[in-house]
Amino acid sequence: GQQVMQIPQYQHVQEGEDFTTYCNSSTTLSNIQWYKQRPGGHPVFLIQLVKSGEVKKQKRLTFQFGEAKKNSSLHITATQTTDVGTYFCAKSGGSNYKLTFGKGTLLTVNP
Amino acid sequence: DSGVTQTPKHLITATGQRVTLRCSPRSGDLSVYWYQQSLDQGLQFLIQYYNGEERAKGNILERFSAQQFPDLHSELNLSSLELGDSALYFCASSGSERMNTEAFFGQGTRLTVV
Repeated sequence: GQQVMQIPQYQHVQEGEDFTTYCNSSTTLSNIQWYKQRPGGHPVFLIQLVKSGEVKKQKRLTFQFGEAKKNSSLHITATQTTDVGTYFCAKSGGSNYKLTFGKGTLLTVNP
Repeated sequence: DSGVTQTPKHLITATGQRVTLRCSPRSGDLSVYWYQQSLDQGLQFLIQYYNGEERAKGNILERFSAQQFPDLHSELNLSSLELGDSALYFCASSGSERMNTEAFFGQGTRLTVV
């Protein structure tokens, strides 16, 4: 089936360093959603991007949707230990009823 | 608290057995989605119901079935269980039919097949 590819699979940073995860699709996306799953927890919605070239910010988190709507990124500035978890992108919408998740990027932060 | 309730939280059962996982969506949400999460496969979509009707199917095994009841709660039935069915099973609900708004996930049911 049509997948969204996420890289990297793992990322370990020192507290205070920046972090970026990328999500790529071979087909044009209707929209992209980002979720965070803390260790032992459940996925929690962060944001949805719909428009080509869209950029949204939530405090230290910056989300981008590519101009061609085939890729997206999540950037965290000055990571904190509370940022630890797996970040998933997921494609949805259009004629697609389901939410298809990427494999996720596991972020660990060394205090 | 997402407002989505899943029971039980943990389930340990033997191979060949059948189990039922239950999900109550957020108040007012008509869509219920079931996902399986394992270490090697990530979050895999199983099935979606909207207002009692099946809307989409993913890679759901024939041994698995689901339904959504008139009160909108949903049940996922897993039968002839195999060791490989051990995973976290999440239910999510959404206010939209086409999953173009945010999904709210329950805490999950951890199934262990021994």
